[in-house]
Amino acid sequence: KNEVEQSPQNLTAQEGEFITINCSYSVGISALHWLQQHPGGGIVSLFMLSSGKKKHGRLIATINIQEKHSSLHITASHPRDSAVYICAAPLPQGGKLIFGQGTELSVKP
Amino acid sequence: KAGVTQTPRYLIKTRGQQVTLSCSPISGHRSVSWYQQTPGQGLQFLFEYFSETQRNKGNFPGRFSGRQFSNSRSEMNVSTLELGDSALYLCASSLVAESYNEQFFGPGTRLTVL
Repeated sequence: KNEVEQSPQNLTAQEGEFITINCSYSVGISALHWLQQHPGGGIVSLFMLSSGKKKHGRLIATINIQEKHSSLHITASHPRDSAVYICAAPLPQGGKLIFGQGTELSVKP
Repeated sequence: KAGVTQTPRYLIKTRGQQVTLSCSPISGHRSVSWYQQTPGQGLQFLFEYFSETQRNKGNFPGRFSGRQFSNSRSEMNVSTLELGDSALYLCASSLVAESYNEQFFGPGTRLTVL
């Protein structure tokens, strides 16, 4: 069993739909990262959160430390949101990130 | 402020050769981590450097090595290349090494081993 698990692995949505990607982890962490990777490889850090909720534009990330679960929501999805979304948990001793398998999102116009 | 830069962006090598990849962190960042991404294994941690010291190392063979210079720039080296080393190699920098620090990723170096 992976220490960080995401669901779903693939997701196809119509433009405008509300999207949720889930991340569950078994390791003890102090914060969780949500990353976005577009075709071509570049990774962008979307959020790093240790409690509650963070919002940036149409993206919302929530985390429940007790339940070891985080969600990434995209409101009013757009084709440019098509990418792979990855959650990652840093180990308490520092630096090292453990990654989920990624969720490949395709938003159709 | 300039982002994380990696050179070269693309590299083609043959089996048995060695390769050196370079990563320049964001100015002021002292922690650099390296990751390998392959279609089969996804993203995997290689190693992390902070103030020229390796703090953590992932489960990779000794053919994979790295170092960090006094200006925080980092290099990783892979010797005796194998076909399975073909991957996207990403580095990420952060201000300090603590796990709660946001990491900023470079564009990656795509290595193809023939």
